[in-house]
Amino acid sequence: GESVGLHLPTLSVQEGDNSIINCAYSNSASDYFIWYKQESGKGPQFIIDIRSNMDKRQGQRVTVLLNKTVKHLSLQIAATQPGDSAVYFCAENMASGSGGSNYKLTFGKGTLLTVNP
Amino acid sequence: EAQVTQNPRYLITVTGKKLTVTCSQNMNHEYMSWYRQDPGLGLRQIYYSMNVEVTDKGDVPEGYKVSRKEKRNFPLILESPSPNQTSLYFCASSDREGEKLFFGSGTQLSVL
Repeated sequence: GESVGLHLPTLSVQEGDNSIINCAYSNSASDYFIWYKQESGKGPQFIIDIRSNMDKRQGQRVTVLLNKTVKHLSLQIAATQPGDSAVYFCAENMASGSGGSNYKLTFGKGTLLTVNP
Repeated sequence: EAQVTQNPRYLITVTGKKLTVTCSQNMNHEYMSWYRQDPGLGLRQIYYSMNVEVTDKGDVPEGYKVSRKEKRNFPLILESPSPNQTSLYFCASSDREGEKLFFGSGTQLSVL
């Protein structure tokens, strides 16, 4: 999700519900994607990643879905808990440098997930 | 424990007073990078290093310097800080560019 001004997109869910956080990426040549979680006052923490030869990958309570046709990435969190409250952002490895031979991670601005008890 | 350690966590300084934020990683990563994070702007890359003695500008390098004399350390230097450099700074490292980054806990810098 893209931010508007200083405000992040926000998703508010009830404890125990499933959460879906979306991300639109920009480069059809990107072949690696990551989801990060950032709690208040902490550094970004890796959650799950996926390469472009896959369309789905599951971790513990999390699933990442990749739709290359529409350049869309989503993070699903099952049975959301209060400890899941954080900013979530996606990253893609975009070609950089002359000739596009190098790839570097480029980050989305994030979505604020709030879990209500 | 595998980690990226940056210091200090909080720093308040005045315009023009040189400062250094240290960063160290214990994962033998070749790639290291500095980012600043500002509300509404997300993570923006300042400088990065592909290996020892190899550094390059990121998207917002003005007013910053870095060095990579050893593989594990990648300090960020502000020779003459200005108020627009007030921000939250993160150091990160990975096996190589474009792969999973491991982040430090951040340094909140205020330049008065």
